[in-house]
Amino acid sequence: DQQVKQNSPSLSVQEGRISILNCDYTNSMFDYFLWYKKYPAEGPTFLISISSIKDKNEDGRFTVFLNKSAKHLSLHIVPSQPGDSAVYFCAAINTGTASKLTFGTGTRLQVTL
Amino acid sequence: GAGVSQSPSNKVTEKGKDVELRCDPISGHTALYWYRQSLGQGLEFLIYFQGNSAPDKSGLPSDRFSAERTGGSVSTLTIQRTQQEDSAVYLCASSPYRAGTEAFFGQGTRLTVV
Repeated sequence: DQQVKQNSPSLSVQEGRISILNCDYTNSMFDYFLWYKKYPAEGPTFLISISSIKDKNEDGRFTVFLNKSAKHLSLHIVPSQPGDSAVYFCAAINTGTASKLTFGTGTRLQVTL
Repeated sequence: GAGVSQSPSNKVTEKGKDVELRCDPISGHTALYWYRQSLGQGLEFLIYFQGNSAPDKSGLPSDRFSAERTGGSVSTLTIQRTQQEDSAVYLCASSPYRAGTEAFFGQGTRLTVV
């Protein structure tokens, strides 16, 4: 039962353009969402997060949008840079029940010159 | 360093042998996770420790896999009678588990079963 889904395994975007990575979840009890970035041969690193009480969180070039009614979140990167090329994982957690962090399957972003 | 430390970074083992993978979490972090990533796959949850609660073992793929966390700190993931399908990168993460905080990952242990 995949509670967090990233339906696009890969995405290619031109440098300078906007990258939009999508994530859907099924568990309405999730109340905190995170995006991680992973380079080859490295562990995932935290990128940005959002609480369910918000619908948008922005940090520099990265913005995460949350649509609770649709159980959907997205990560926008603008402008995209070649160094953004990596695998992006979304994750979700129910902070009220000490439950585990649940990850999606990842989207490989390739930013081309 | 102050980050999550995993050892060894690489491990090659023969099929049928047992292996132990170690994770040193960030000091004071009460939550500890083990995940694995097989080639071309996403992050597969294995086991989760939170404080003194019983661990969530729901992700362990078979009874050949076990993990313990001693003294609420260091964790060891043990795989008995390794199989080729166990080859993957095993990732450990820890978290202080306060609302609004993220989990920090180690660099992983790349396990190759030959």
